[in-house]
Amino acid sequence: GAGVSQSPSNKVTEKGKDVELRCDPISGHTALYWYRQRLGQGLEFLIYFQGNSAPDKSGLPSDRFSAERTGESVSTLTIQRTQQEDSAVYLCASRSGTGAYRAFFGQGTRLTVV
Amino acid sequence: AQKVTQAQTEISVVEKEDVTLDCVYETRDTTYYLFWYKQPPSGELVFLIRRNSFDEQNEISGRYSWNFQKSTSSFNFTITASQVVDSAVYFCALSRITGGFKTIFGAGTRLFVKA
Repeated sequence: GAGVSQSPSNKVTEKGKDVELRCDPISGHTALYWYRQRLGQGLEFLIYFQGNSAPDKSGLPSDRFSAERTGESVSTLTIQRTQQEDSAVYLCASRSGTGAYRAFFGQGTRLTVV
Repeated sequence: AQKVTQAQTEISVVEKEDVTLDCVYETRDTTYYLFWYKQPPSGELVFLIRRNSFDEQNEISGRYSWNFQKSTSSFNFTITASQVVDSAVYFCALSRITGGFKTIFGAGTRLFVKA
């Protein structure tokens, strides 16, 4: 596609429920990142996928968080048993394997846990 | 470990003033990339610049300029003659070149430009 697409744009969920956030990267981009941005805070790295390599999961805050990516396509970030502190904007970015190494960001999913 | 520090949480200026956003980073890598991104109120992150660690030449793009000093691990960003449309949160970021291009962001500096 023309840009990185994330869905849903907004999600309100009850504490304890599971949520899935979706990211469609730019076609052909081998690298995909997930970041979390709490209100008024900076970007917190969560996980990074690069081609068929094992993902870098070092930023996942707990075992309630997981992410998958099939090949070089869509990625899903899953948060199980959501807590209020999970409320944030979750940003996805993709990057080409060659070239300028800049990341292209989606508009994010605003997650509110009530 | 890598770290990016943007000590200025918020800056407020009047239109046409010059403003400099500070960025200090830590890394053990000898080669790396540095970035600046802009996040306007709409929320979408906009790429501004990428700098290679081995290229210390300063860069100017219109009203924007960047001062990279490897000796002090700083990559500061100056907006000349600021405009209201410059109001946004600005993020400095550091990316590894080896080990997977993991990118770490600073906490961001919120810039308010008043008319």
